[in-house]
Amino acid sequence: DQQVKQNSPSLSVQEGRISILNCDYTNSMFDYFLWYKKYPAEGPTFLISISSIKDKNEDGRFTVFLNKSAKHLSLHIVPSQPGDSAVYFCAASGANRDDKIIFGKGTRLHILP
Amino acid sequence: DAGVTQSPTHLIKTRGQQVTLRCSPISGHKSVSWYQQVLGQGPQFIFQYYEKEERGRGNFPDRFSARQFPNYSSELNVNALLLGDSALYLCASSPTSGVQETQYFGPGTRLLVL
Repeated sequence: DQQVKQNSPSLSVQEGRISILNCDYTNSMFDYFLWYKKYPAEGPTFLISISSIKDKNEDGRFTVFLNKSAKHLSLHIVPSQPGDSAVYFCAASGANRDDKIIFGKGTRLHILP
Repeated sequence: DAGVTQSPTHLIKTRGQQVTLRCSPISGHKSVSWYQQVLGQGPQFIFQYYEKEERGRGNFPDRFSARQFPNYSSELNVNALLLGDSALYLCASSPTSGVQETQYFGPGTRLLVL
């Protein structure tokens, strides 16, 4: 049973527009959420995170929104750039020290020229 | 500074064989985690080691084992390989074992089992 779900396998967005990647989770004990970005032949790279005590975290062009009641988070990229074309993984973990990170299946983002 | 390094980059084995994958963490990082990523899925947690002790284990059979050395490098061993073990094996390091520590991933070892 998938605890972290990314229901869109791929997404195409025009360069300069906003990219919105969505993620749903089922475990109400999740306390910390992350987004990773992965290019081919490279390992995932940490992008941005958010704790459950917040509903928004912003870092430059990247903003993550958390809706705890809906068990939903989203990553907004504004404006989208060609270098943003990659696979984006949503991930979550609990609050305990020994809790591990659970990843979603990923969404492949294509930025169109 | 060098990032997380993994060796080999690619590996082909046959069913029933054994494989050892290696990982060197970022200098100063004491925690190493291993993940398996099969095609079309996200990384799945296998092990975490911190200060040479196992701190966590995912839902993987006993054919999977790992260890961490005094220099904090790590090895992942898989015995009696199955076709389903074909995957990208990722190593990640972090300064400590805290779950909210940012993990830095290596490029992975792609294992193909024939």
